[in-house]
Amino acid sequence: DTGVSQDPRHKITKRGQNVTFRCDPISEHNRLYWYRQTLGQGPEFLTYFQNEAQLEKSRLLSDRFSAERPKGSFSTLEIQRTEQGDSAMYLCASSLTEAAPQHFGDGTRLSIL
Amino acid sequence: SQQGEEDPQALSIQEGENATMNCSYKTSINNLQWYRQNSGRGLVHLILIRSNEREKHSGRLRVTLDTSKKSSSLLITASRAADTASYFCATVTLYGGATNKLIFGTGTLLAVQP
Repeated sequence: DTGVSQDPRHKITKRGQNVTFRCDPISEHNRLYWYRQTLGQGPEFLTYFQNEAQLEKSRLLSDRFSAERPKGSFSTLEIQRTEQGDSAMYLCASSLTEAAPQHFGDGTRLSIL
Repeated sequence: SQQGEEDPQALSIQEGENATMNCSYKTSINNLQWYRQNSGRGLVHLILIRSNEREKHSGRLRVTLDTSKKSSSLLITASRAADTASYFCATVTLYGGATNKLIFGTGTLLAVQP
């Protein structure tokens, strides 16, 4: 079990730049989730994929955010024209079935200068 | 947005003591889960309790669920320094076509002193 892998672990960028994060879920898991966590808070749901279909998006996911999961394998989360408020830990999780616990990666910490 | 609150926000105990954390939530749920997060790391699933269950045990963990009060508690017995972490409750609502997304509480920061 290689677990959920996220890359990069840390990203520092200037305001206005675009960034892209990658998540590789556990191989047999067809459900994939993105969450955002700010300091001292619990994670907040961003979006959910079942295989390659994006089935739910949070209102937190503004039009500057886009997520994809081509071929139902890895997923990418892109933020365009980054803002100071985008600074957070971005967490990816996957699960095997609808009611199963979710397995989390170690996240990508984004810092906006 | 957060589902609810956790209490206390922070807890400091000595090794060997028991730690109790409480979680309240707002809506009807399918299940409630507890996760642990070490500093700078992802979350690790600890235990899941379904809405029709009232108590569940796993090793040194004991979870209770009171759906009438929309609350849950996590008890860690005989705590160890390695239990130092943040603990989050998270709810899942599958009614009305909702997906399996987790709605997290605000977390309890547990410090176990050796």
